[in-house]
Amino acid sequence: DVKVTQSSRYLVKRTGEKVFLECVQDMDHENMFWYRQDPGLGLRLIYFSYDVKMKEKGDIPEGYSVSREKKERFSLILESASTNQTSMYLCATAGVNTEAFFGQGTRLTVV
Amino acid sequence: SQQGEEDPQALSIQEGENATMNCSYKTSINNLQWYRQNSGRGLVHLILIRSNEREKHSGRLRVTLDTSKKSSSLLITASRAADTASYFCAPPAYNQGGKLIFGQGTELSVKP
Repeated sequence: DVKVTQSSRYLVKRTGEKVFLECVQDMDHENMFWYRQDPGLGLRLIYFSYDVKMKEKGDIPEGYSVSREKKERFSLILESASTNQTSMYLCATAGVNTEAFFGQGTRLTVV
Repeated sequence: SQQGEEDPQALSIQEGENATMNCSYKTSINNLQWYRQNSGRGLVHLILIRSNEREKHSGRLRVTLDTSKKSSSLLITASRAADTASYFCAPPAYNQGGKLIFGQGTELSVKP
């Protein structure tokens, strides 16, 4: 069974805090993704990584950074959390030209 | 970045009816993928159709792909209340190395 594990299901953080969202996969996939999902806006790609230490900005990278030091782990970092980053965050992994597998999502609330 | 545009945005049908959702995209693709999302959960992959295929079946799902029109459709036959979910297409662009961009999806409601 494919496993894509996000470190937390629910998270509450204060404005200005540095927040780390972790995603770990056991599929040896090259590609990893971070999305956020908000009502009425669908899934929006924040960052995409196609190899270790390689990353590419998605459609909404502002306020976020990522780290991929090992193939199986892709971290999303909110340098200084703000209330407009309250959202559902979804991690996904995929091989080259294959389907993606998603984690269960992290619902982040910034207060 | 290439994303799929799903149509309609919302669809409400009775159990037993068929549901058809459409997806349009803009540039050449290697494949096109359909996903389903139950409320508050991650997406689950349903079916992948390659650019050289025209039709693919999986259980009650039928996907078609028309690369000349840059469009795809997902048909769910004999729908059930448990099919209620959001459905998304993802058409990774040929020259974008597998980057998956999703649209807003089609919200399907199947009433018992």
